[in-house]
Amino acid sequence: DTAVSQTPKYLVTQMGNDKSIKCEQNLGHDTMYWYKQDSKKFLKIMFSYNNKELIINETVPNRFSPKSPDKAHLNLHINSLELGDSAVYFCASSLNFRDTYDNEQFFGPGTRLTVL
Amino acid sequence: DQQVKQNSPSLSVQEGRISILNCDYTNSMFDYFLWYKKYPAEGPTFLISISSIKDKNEDGRFTVFLNKSAKHLSLHIVPSQPGDSAVYFCAASHISGNTGKLIFGQGTTLQVKP
Repeated sequence: DTAVSQTPKYLVTQMGNDKSIKCEQNLGHDTMYWYKQDSKKFLKIMFSYNNKELIINETVPNRFSPKSPDKAHLNLHINSLELGDSAVYFCASSLNFRDTYDNEQFFGPGTRLTVL
Repeated sequence: DQQVKQNSPSLSVQEGRISILNCDYTNSMFDYFLWYKKYPAEGPTFLISISSIKDKNEDGRFTVFLNKSAKHLSLHIVPSQPGDSAVYFCAASHISGNTGKLIFGQGTTLQVKP
């Protein structure tokens, strides 16, 4: 039974399209995150939510909008896709970001987005 | 400005020997450090962590060492096994910043040869 799941695993689309990536966790965690792994392999935080409240909002284009309908789900919607958006996007969750030293993050398998 | 750096993109060791993966950071506010392991087509999985009040933490075959003055940490794997072949990411956090934000290095690919 997968702890953090993402759909789809692969996403190939044309420039200018709008797409969404879904993330769900069944761990009962309060905090969820979105990371982007670019071509240089750096994993960079984009957003985090805690019980549907936005906590981290890094400098990402406004075309990226996270949506958290409940604490078990954090979806990522991307408008007007550009070539530079091609990357692997990882969702993660943790007990609660306030739990300092026990705030291990559990990652999903990633979604490889290719923009043509 | 990359605050966490793993300067060795790859490392190859023989099975049974020690693997040493290195990580440097620039932000002196970082006070909690983690290592994650990643297999192809999977997400990273937590391996071991250390807070800045310690200089060593051990868990089975894995030991993390922290040198705060040098802003350097290392992960030792002894003995190395073929199943340890993966990408290892170092990450750092500023606990009192109270956001749970992790800053990752770019990873080191470890190959353990049988």
